[in-house]
Amino acid sequence: ETGVTQTPRHLVMGMTNKKSLKCEQHLGHNAMYWYKQSAKKPLELMFVYSLEERVENNSVPSRFSPECPNSSHLFLHLHTLQPEDSALYLCASSPLLGINEQFFGPGTRLTVL
Amino acid sequence: DAKTTQPTSMDCAEGRAANLPCNHSTISGNEYVYWYRQIHSQGPQYIIHGLKNNETNEMASLIITEDRKSSTLILPHATLRDTAVYYCIVREVVDTGRRALTFGSGTRLQVQP
Repeated sequence: ETGVTQTPRHLVMGMTNKKSLKCEQHLGHNAMYWYKQSAKKPLELMFVYSLEERVENNSVPSRFSPECPNSSHLFLHLHTLQPEDSALYLCASSPLLGINEQFFGPGTRLTVL
Repeated sequence: DAKTTQPTSMDCAEGRAANLPCNHSTISGNEYVYWYRQIHSQGPQYIIHGLKNNETNEMASLIITEDRKSSTLILPHATLRDTAVYYCIVREVVDTGRRALTFGSGTRLQVQP
């Protein structure tokens, strides 16, 4: 257990569905991250939050919408996704922004039909 | 970040020490060596990091050569649960510009029963 939980662990959705991924960290960290890991590709950073403020958005399509209501919770709202969005979505946290010791959740395996 | 080179794969017998090498010949003076691992279909897990002195924690030991151009991660008594892809990453201890951890291809360690 890393102290970072993600739900659901698996999600199958159609291209017209709206769903949300949830991440919760119990470590008292101030920074949280969303990463995408596609098959046979390295991790891609999607969003970064520091103290509930979004500090980075790496050219992610608007069909992905993050939300950070407090420093312990991070959401990724999904709508009108494409099949190529199928991937493992990972949440991570670190004590402060920029600290390389990041703690990852188990990920949500997303399949878009 | 300095480039790292790792073997593609390694095997290790259960109960024996697993020694995973990493070359980072262009490492700069303020860059640390970080090790993460990713068990299949799970999020990456931080293992250990160091600057120039050898480091040990409950998971592993990190041996860094005196010239800092290479390092070795040691799992003293490998178990089947240590089967994973191990990533060696070199970067400054506080990343002031980039937030993404850059994972290369890593070393796929297979622990054999």
